[in-house]
Amino acid sequence: DTAVSQTPKYLVTQMGNDKSIKCEQNLGHDTMYWYKQDSKKFLKIMFSYNNKELIINETVPNRFSPKSPDKAHLNLHINSLELGDSAVYFCASSLLGGEDYGYTFGSGTRLTVV
Amino acid sequence: KNEVEQSPQNLTAQEGEFITINCSYSVGISALHWLQQHPGGGIVSLFMLSSGKKKHGRLIATINIQEKHSSLHITASHPRDSAVYICAVGKGAAGNKLTFGGGTRVLVKP
Repeated sequence: DTAVSQTPKYLVTQMGNDKSIKCEQNLGHDTMYWYKQDSKKFLKIMFSYNNKELIINETVPNRFSPKSPDKAHLNLHINSLELGDSAVYFCASSLLGGEDYGYTFGSGTRLTVV
Repeated sequence: KNEVEQSPQNLTAQEGEFITINCSYSVGISALHWLQQHPGGGIVSLFMLSSGKKKHGRLIATINIQEKHSSLHITASHPRDSAVYICAVGKGAAGNKLTFGGGTRVLVKP
């Protein structure tokens, strides 16, 4: 199946831990994103990579570090997790500048920090 | 004020009714997206528009670039249309990042 797949789907962890969320797309897209959806369901961009290069880095704490080993993968590593990091994190991909290509989203990772 | 505003925030309709969701934005855009998020949480892209009108099944999306306004219409609504509908705008440069509206929660009753 062509898709954006992210793992894990659910992640429960204690404050202070370090965790990673993985994302992979097999759509041939050249741009990948991480979005955060807060408790009020509002979505906001965190990072964007185009062909492994970081092109968007919104105001996100340094504890969040994205890594893109190739254009099909964008992982998110979070250090020293805090309660406020609890949210749903969505990976997405698109073809930069493509007029006929919309976005494809992963199914989300619900992170709960306790 | 958000760059992307949606109305209404919540909408309840009876099965079969015609539903309209509105989206206004205040910035220049390269494209506008309509997304659907079901209670299970996954986000599905419904439409990407840069002008005019698109139709897919019972869904119709229109955009007026001059007025910076878009509408999403659902004809003959069905309980399975119950979801949150999110308007988002892409600005083209810098990676096509999306800026989102707050979403419209739609409930269609049988």
